[in-house]
Amino acid sequence: DQQVKQNSPSLSVQEGRISILNCDYTNSMFDYFLWYKKYPAEGPTFLISISSIKDKNEDGRFTVFLNKSAKHLSLHIVPSQPGDSAVYFCAASARLNSGAGSYQLTFGKGTKLSVIP
Amino acid sequence: DAEITQSPRHKITETGRQVTLACHQTWNHNNMFWYRQDLGHGLRLIHYSYGVQDTNKGEVSDGYSVSRSNTEDLPLTLESAASSQTSVYFCASSGQGINTDTQYFGPGTRLTVL
Repeated sequence: DQQVKQNSPSLSVQEGRISILNCDYTNSMFDYFLWYKKYPAEGPTFLISISSIKDKNEDGRFTVFLNKSAKHLSLHIVPSQPGDSAVYFCAASARLNSGAGSYQLTFGKGTKLSVIP
Repeated sequence: DAEITQSPRHKITETGRQVTLACHQTWNHNNMFWYRQDLGHGLRLIHYSYGVQDTNKGEVSDGYSVSRSNTEDLPLTLESAASSQTSVYFCASSGQGINTDTQYFGPGTRLTVL
């Protein structure tokens, strides 16, 4: 049973346009969400996160939106650059709802973003 | 600068052999995690530790073991390697404080079991 779903395995976007990566979750206990970016032959790197008490968090070109009622979050990249081409993982945590001592992340399968020059 | 390292970066072994993958972090993080990444599966949790002498099984722990004797290291051992364990393995760590959920990953170890 996949608790974090990224239904689009791949996405192609023209340079300068907006990239929108989507993520759905099923576990209502999740209260913290993260996006990671991964280049080939490297480990995932943290990109941006959002707590369930917020519906938006912005960091430069990257914005994450959270719709709790729909159990959906999205990552917007504006404007998209060729260097953004990577696999993006959505991850979720239920730490606050699970009490102290639970720091696990549940990951989606990833979306490969290709930004075309 | 603090970092998390993994060794070896590439490993080829034979079925049935014992293999140990090393993970070392200088963040002084209490929490450490091992994942495997496979096509079509994303990142799946193998084992994790919330401190010295603490170890816990994750989603895909069969055939793997870990031990935590100090804060910095969490070695992953494959007791008897199987071809199904051919994968890319990532170690991660996270700390105390506000951003405890944010995990920082090592560069990965590509393991091939023949």
